[in-house]
Amino acid sequence: SQKIEQNSEALNIQEGKTATLTCNYTNYSPAYLQWYRQDPGRGPVFLLLIRENEKEKRKERLKVTFDTTLKQSLFHITASQPADSATYLCAPRRGSGTYKYIFGTGTRLKVLA
Amino acid sequence: ETGVTQTPRHLVMGMTNKKSLKCEQHLGHNAMYWYKQSAKKPLELMFVYNFKEQTENNSVPSRFSPECPNSSHLFLHLHTLQPEDSALYLCASSQDRAGTWEAQETQYFGPGTRLLVL
Repeated sequence: SQKIEQNSEALNIQEGKTATLTCNYTNYSPAYLQWYRQDPGRGPVFLLLIRENEKEKRKERLKVTFDTTLKQSLFHITASQPADSATYLCAPRRGSGTYKYIFGTGTRLKVLA
Repeated sequence: ETGVTQTPRHLVMGMTNKKSLKCEQHLGHNAMYWYKQSAKKPLELMFVYNFKEQTENNSVPSRFSPECPNSSHLFLHLHTLQPEDSALYLCASSQDRAGTWEAQETQYFGPGTRLLVL
């Protein structure tokens, strides 16, 4: 069955450093992959979408890579700030024709001042 | 705010009660979704509606009954729930057929309803 794996352990990093979060998927080939941020008691907020033919995508301090050979996406936050502390969800999706979004359990990031 | 509202934000109900969750989106989207988020588990897609028509039911028990009277409103009717149904229920919407490709795939989530079944 399709499986998404994200670091289940919380990630603590010092302010100013680069945070790197990992998303691994098995048993399918997503056409694209999304990353969301979720704060406690709130719904997820869309951050970035990357397609299978894109190796890397950037938005301000955020960078996402998508390696279809390794079946892995990496999510980087450079110059991290305490306000970046949240849970980050990975969501690979199949191609058109289905609405099936498969979310990972998320990785909780804490940026220490 | 994301433009998607959900009421109530918190709900406690007994197993014999009947209640409804409401979702409203003010974004002009045509697709709406219900998700369930339990502790330590990933988001689970429950139902999808597109232009008021249900396009996906992800093997959800019949004690959950969705209703989509128009593209802006989505309900989840609950009856005879079990304690294991306690979770955060999230509504989302997206623009399925217009705009950029990325805009079509972006989902906007509401704040969720925290449900506790006793």
